Amino acid sequence: DPKIIQKPKYLVAVTGSEKILICEQYLGHNAMYWYRQSAKKPLEFMFSYSYQKLMDNQTASSRFQPQSSKKNHLDLQITALKPDDSATYFCASSQDYRVEQYFGPGTRLTVL
Amino acid sequence: QEKVQQSPESLIVPEGAMSSLNCTFSNSASQSIWWYQQHPGKGPEALISIFSNGNKKEGRLTVYLNRASLHVSLHIRDSQPSDSAVYLCAVTGGYKVVFGSGTRLLVSP
Repeated sequence: DPKIIQKPKYLVAVTGSEKILICEQYLGHNAMYWYRQSAKKPLEFMFSYSYQKLMDNQTASSRFQPQSSKKNHLDLQITALKPDDSATYFCASSQDYRVEQYFGPGTRLTVL
Repeated sequence: QEKVQQSPESLIVPEGAMSSLNCTFSNSASQSIWWYQQHPGKGPEALISIFSNGNKKEGRLTVYLNRASLHVSLHIRDSQPSDSAVYLCAVTGGYKVVFGSGTRLLVSP
């Protein structure tokens, strides 16, 4: 059974719209993260949460908002979508910041 | 802002050879350095980490860290075609992780 679930796997959106990317982890981890990866840039850290509290935010734009309704959920809301937001978004989790992170399969977002 | 540079961008080695990948980082106070492996269409998977100067060996993998020169390297002994993937160097600082752009390794049979 998959330990980190990301939904949907593929997502197509129009410029200016809003989407929510879902992430659930069943590893019992306390920390969760969001990353973005595109052809133009390496894997880019966006947010980290620990015990549902924001620990670090490296996203310059407020259009990206993480939402943690439960300890094992960390969704990502993206508003006013732009073509430059097209990328694969990975969710990850770890027991804490000192140990390895486990990555989900990713959500590939295309903004037209 | 931590910067992580990896070299070479791509590497082709014959099966059975040693693969050597390099990574330099900008902050000597960085915590652990991790190496991740990423296959096409998949999320990265952690391979090995190092915190202290020196080397660490796990199976066919050996990692060397020199904080003074801000350099870490990964060596894969007896490389196999299944090792073909992108290898990412990741430098941690608290709850933030900075990844390099990766080295694409191809092991030819």
